[in-house]
Amino acid sequence: EAGVAQSPRYKIIEKRQSVAFWCNPISGHATLYWYQQILGQGPKLLIQFQNNGVVDDSQLPKDRFSAERLKGVDSTLKIQPAKLEDSAVYLCASSLRRSFETQYFGPGTRLLVL
Amino acid sequence: AQSVAQPEDQVNVAEGNPLTVKCTYSVSGNPYLFWYVQYPNRGLQFLLKYITGDNLVKGSYGFEAEFNKSQTSFHLKKPSALVSDSALYFCAVRDPQAYGQNFVFGPGTRLSVLP
Repeated sequence: EAGVAQSPRYKIIEKRQSVAFWCNPISGHATLYWYQQILGQGPKLLIQFQNNGVVDDSQLPKDRFSAERLKGVDSTLKIQPAKLEDSAVYLCASSLRRSFETQYFGPGTRLLVL
Repeated sequence: AQSVAQPEDQVNVAEGNPLTVKCTYSVSGNPYLFWYVQYPNRGLQFLLKYITGDNLVKGSYGFEAEFNKSQTSFHLKKPSALVSDSALYFCAVRDPQAYGQNFVFGPGTRLSVLP
């Protein structure tokens, strides 16, 4: 079974530029999560999708971050404009359904904002 | 709101000795509890979870954890540590009764197993 795929693996941009990350979850997984992991901290949930609907985006900085999951499969997370404090690893995870199912994580995208 | 604490930033143990990585939590209802491990330059890998039932949960790579409701703890244990267990360990809690931000990770504990 293929795991969660993410791209790119690394990205370096200057502040005020925009950037997008892509995630392809495990086939058949209805729930998709985006996390931000700042160096030295645990992952923080940004947004959670159930199929193509948003379940929770309470910690997503909506003035600069946006995410979509068209057709309930792939997802894209965008930052526009980026700030220095957005430097982090962005992790995508998926689970079969929302409840107590195990989350499977992708390798992450490491973002550096200069 | 739920929260997770991992009181130790770093745990050092000699190879072959038992290891414990501590986790305490705070939720309003009955928690779902998870342990994940993160190796360098890799994503998080699931180790084990407690949802209901037996308080002692067995997981991958010989790890186990004990749910203690009175102490609100979910410590990760292994009887005999391996050098390859050296990694960053995260405890996470989910409050199934809470709407919104209901999956919270702790700050992580770095485990170093010395040969």
